[in-house]
Amino acid sequence: GAGVSQSPSNKVTEKGKDVELRCDPISGHTALYWYRQSLGQGLEFLIYFQGNSAPDKSGLPSDRFSAERTGGSVSTLTIQRTQQEDSAVYLCASSLSSGARGTEAFFGQGTRLTVV
Amino acid sequence: GNSVTQMEGPVTLSEEAFLTINCTYTATGYPSLFWYVQYPGEGLQLLLKATKADDKGSNKGFEATYRKETTSFHLEKGSVQVSDSAVYFCALISNTGFQKLVFGTGTRLLVSP
Repeated sequence: GAGVSQSPSNKVTEKGKDVELRCDPISGHTALYWYRQSLGQGLEFLIYFQGNSAPDKSGLPSDRFSAERTGGSVSTLTIQRTQQEDSAVYLCASSLSSGARGTEAFFGQGTRLTVV
Repeated sequence: GNSVTQMEGPVTLSEEAFLTINCTYTATGYPSLFWYVQYPGEGLQLLLKATKADDKGSNKGFEATYRKETTSFHLEKGSVQVSDSAVYFCALISNTGFQKLVFGTGTRLLVSP
């Protein structure tokens, strides 16, 4: 596609349920990032992928959070047993590669997750 | 590790005022530096970038110069408009190996007529 696509755009879930958030990066982009943004806050890094591997998972808040990437393309962020503090906008970004000079990251519109 | 520090907001200005948003960084090697902008209700988009020392990135009247001696990448605009009201994020990515994109905490700019 023309840009980074995230789905769903909005998700309301009950506390304790599991949710899956999907990111379709720009075709050919090998690096993929997940961030989350709570209301009025900055960007909190969660995880990044280079190809299908995740060199840095340091930002995942707890073991309820996991992410995978298959075929070097689509990525899924899974949150198990959601809690109210998980409510945020989850942003995905992709770039041609990480570390290359001047590589720009393109962001999706985000998934707004609300846990009630 | 790599990090970015930017001034806290909000920054409140009148239209046509001069804008500076400070950004300093800590990184190994020679990172690439970026400013991203998030307009109300919209996603993040790249505003400008610089890839080596003394480079100047510019777009939409905004400028930032890559200063290696002071490890800074301050964002400036000579005359802000109401439509510039947004949150601005400074970011870097190292060019040594595979590194994640590191963001500052963001600075909210509010421009009044």
